[in-house]
Amino acid sequence: GAVVSQHPSWVICKSGTSVKIECRSLDFQATTMFWYRQFPKQSLMLMATSNEGSKATYEQGVEKDKFLINHASLTLSTLTVTSAHPEDSSFYICSALHVRAGVLEAFFGQGTRLTVV
Amino acid sequence: GEDVEQSLFLSVREGDSSVINCTYTDSSSTYLYWYKQEPGAGLQLLTYIFSNMDMKQDQRLTVLLNKKDKHLSLRIADTQTGDSAIYFCAEIPLYNFNKFYFGSGTKLNVKP
Repeated sequence: GAVVSQHPSWVICKSGTSVKIECRSLDFQATTMFWYRQFPKQSLMLMATSNEGSKATYEQGVEKDKFLINHASLTLSTLTVTSAHPEDSSFYICSALHVRAGVLEAFFGQGTRLTVV
Repeated sequence: GEDVEQSLFLSVREGDSSVINCTYTDSSSTYLYWYKQEPGAGLQLLTYIFSNMDMKQDQRLTVLLNKKDKHLSLRIADTQTGDSAIYFCAEIPLYNFNKFYFGSGTKLNVKP
């Protein structure tokens, strides 16, 4: 149980186009999901907190208009990278919190490798 | 936000023990976690420790928590090549029980 599915696993797009990444909690409801960007030097950077039914909370330095987040249901959050540039190429990971066996855990999607050419 | 720090790299030989260290700043941490990330994949929970514990053992894994020094370690006994991955420590502060703070990750390389 407690699976978070992310789609697509990888995507290549042209500069200037938009790309949508989906994050689904498959067997639990998630009012809050998190979007991370992972740089080549491996550190995770929290980009934003996605809140079901309300606006996302963005971390400092993350452009709201460039990284559009929509959390339309209790099991789905989407991240849209708009007007993509090569510097947006990265590994994007989502996560959702869920209590399993009495312990709060962060469950992660498989990640999406975005390459902008 | 809270600071969670880890060394970036660790290299060991197969069969040796690996010790990955983590320091954090928040004294109100409730749970502390170790996550494992294999290449090209998301993070998977490896183990966790509650803040009122000093040690937790789970098969080849031993977690030690020194609350006074705010130091967390993960020891992997008899390290195998399949243990090669990035290991992240994470904590949840008491004042914000809805946000994980992750370290930068330690890349463990196991040489055969």
